[in-house]
Amino acid sequence: DSGVTQTPKHLITATGQRVTLRCSPRSGDLSVYWYQQSLDQGLQFLIQYYNGEERAKGNILERFSAQQFPDLHSELNLSSLELGDSALYFCASSGLAANTEAFFGQGTRLTVV
Amino acid sequence: AQSVTQLGSHVSVSEGALVLLRCNYSSSVPPYLFWYVQYPNQGLQLLLKYTSAATLVKGINGFEAEFKKSETSFHLTKPSAHMSDAAEYFCAVSPIQGAQKLVFGQGTRLTINP
Repeated sequence: DSGVTQTPKHLITATGQRVTLRCSPRSGDLSVYWYQQSLDQGLQFLIQYYNGEERAKGNILERFSAQQFPDLHSELNLSSLELGDSALYFCASSGLAANTEAFFGQGTRLTVV
Repeated sequence: AQSVTQLGSHVSVSEGALVLLRCNYSSSVPPYLFWYVQYPNQGLQLLLKYTSAATLVKGINGFEAEFKKSETSFHLTKPSAHMSDAAEYFCAVSPIQGAQKLVFGQGTRLTINP
């Protein structure tokens, strides 16, 4: 158990809809990352938050947004969903230092139909 | 921008044979390097990391990796493969300055033949 909790584990929704994925980081970790894993794109970094503020942005679509709340949990919002958004979405948490490892949650498998 | 290239999307070895998974990085300065493993239907788990101390890094489950600056490589090895090593392996790089931002390679799926 990595200590990172993601909910829900599975999500099936229709095109055009909006969903919210939730992540609770490990106790004490201020940094949260979101990754998307798909067969054709591999593991792609989406966005990082540190203590409530956006730190780094990767290949995140404009239809996607994220935030980190005062209690440090994070949400990833995906809107106007398309079939191509079907993927595994991982949340990870870590300390801020570059040499610290990231701990990953089990992921949320999103299926857009 | 930093990046990693994993040579070989699929590697197959026999049980008991040497495992070698290749990773090359691209960076203007030596970064921090990580190897993660992903078992089916699970998240990623850290195997080992290089953070500019010893160039030969030992990790969990008998894996080790050697940082070679001249070759910009960080290959993962294990002397004797076990059936339980079947998984997907990801090499990742993080800049040594600024916030940590892991950039992953495309992954290598390791299959172990009995």
